[in-house]
Amino acid sequence: EADIYQTPRYLVIGTGKKITLECSQTMGHDKMYWYQQDPGMELHLIHYSYGVNSTEKGDLSSESTVSRIRTEHFPLTLESARPSHTSQYLCASSWGGWELFFGEGSRLTVL
Amino acid sequence: AQSVTQLGSHVSVSEGALVLLRCNYSSSVPPYLFWYVQYPNQGLQLLLKYTSAATLVKGINGFEAEFKKSETSFHLTKPSAHMSDAAEYFCAFGQGGSEKLVFGKGTKLTVNP
Repeated sequence: EADIYQTPRYLVIGTGKKITLECSQTMGHDKMYWYQQDPGMELHLIHYSYGVNSTEKGDLSSESTVSRIRTEHFPLTLESARPSHTSQYLCASSWGGWELFFGEGSRLTVL
Repeated sequence: AQSVTQLGSHVSVSEGALVLLRCNYSSSVPPYLFWYVQYPNQGLQLLLKYTSAATLVKGINGFEAEFKKSETSFHLTKPSAHMSDAAEYFCAFGQGGSEKLVFGKGTKLTVNP
């Protein structure tokens, strides 16, 4: 069973608010990822990190930002939420080789 | 561009029937291919992976997939569906030199009693 945790699981928030989605893993993985998931669409990689102090933008442009100050922690922040940010955000980690361990997701609704 | 295409966004089968979920890839070099499963309100979980060791790959829960280079396919099968197989299934693609997975749009499997 994967030990990767996301909080909150569900969040409903008003436009303009700052939000942070938390992701923590206890497996010691160097690689961590954030994917955005919308119904009927591919999972899109929005951010990834290959280690502490290393972050890169993914294939899908996103207004969110991430940080990687500790190996186990990879939070995602939206400075000013908008309705277009409504989506499910999935965090994942890996030793490498594409076998990803996913959290249960954070479903964000911006009103 | 490298990609995977999953044919059919929804597949419905009866309990005990064959499950066949289709995935085709687009790549000029041999890819690494994966199937992930997502149960309701959960994250994705690796079902099986192809990394060129064997063309027929067995995964968890009785699923298997066969890599067919001539057809650029990696279809997922299970001989007999169970109610607990109801979930969304994602085909994914990784290529040497890249640490990123590219996912298909997913196929939602419904199992009818």
